[in-house]
Amino acid sequence: QKEVEQDPGPLSVPEGAIVSLNCTYSNSAFQYFMWYRQYSRKGPELLMYTYSSGNKEDGRFTAQVDKSSKYISLFIRDSQPSDSATYLCAMSGAGGGNKLTFGTGTQLKVEL
Amino acid sequence: GAGVSQSPSNKVTEKGKDVELRCDPISGHTALYWYRQSLGQGLEFLIYFQGNSAPDKSGLPSDRFSAERTGGSVSTLTIQRTQQEDSAVYLCASSLDRYQPQHFGDGTRLSIL
Repeated sequence: QKEVEQDPGPLSVPEGAIVSLNCTYSNSAFQYFMWYRQYSRKGPELLMYTYSSGNKEDGRFTAQVDKSSKYISLFIRDSQPSDSATYLCAMSGAGGGNKLTFGTGTQLKVEL
Repeated sequence: GAGVSQSPSNKVTEKGKDVELRCDPISGHTALYWYRQSLGQGLEFLIYFQGNSAPDKSGLPSDRFSAERTGGSVSTLTIQRTQQEDSAVYLCASSLDRYQPQHFGDGTRLSIL
């Protein structure tokens, strides 16, 4: 079993929909949680960076961390075709940004 | 400002050859990381450099892989005697320090024939 599990999709939604992306993990030492967006043939681009449990909002994006359930989510409001990409969750232990462990990524397509 | 720069963007080589991949981190970033992204395995950690400390090499898959970071800036990942299973995208990331988020380059796509 992998340390981080992420539904690979693909996930297809209409423009304007609310998108929910999720990861579960097994390592209770994870303290830092990130979401990256990756377009085809590009490197991962940092979207959200959170520490421990709680919510964080940035524009159309909201990240939630529930450490008691070992579950993290990314919500995208008013989704746009430009949001079509692969979304990767990542996390690391108490040492900070050292050695990220990634989910396998969820492929999202936002249709016009 | 300039992001993480990697070169070459694509590399095709024959099995058994050595390859060198280069990473130029964001200026002022003390931490530098190498990852490998392949279809079957996703993104995997390879090696981590922090300042002048000894690197964390725990993710290197075999002794054919090595990396160095000169002058606390540019890093080179070397793969000796390449095998077909080494075909992947090699990604470099840097961060201000080990507690700050990592920013990635666009990677080097390595194909072993």
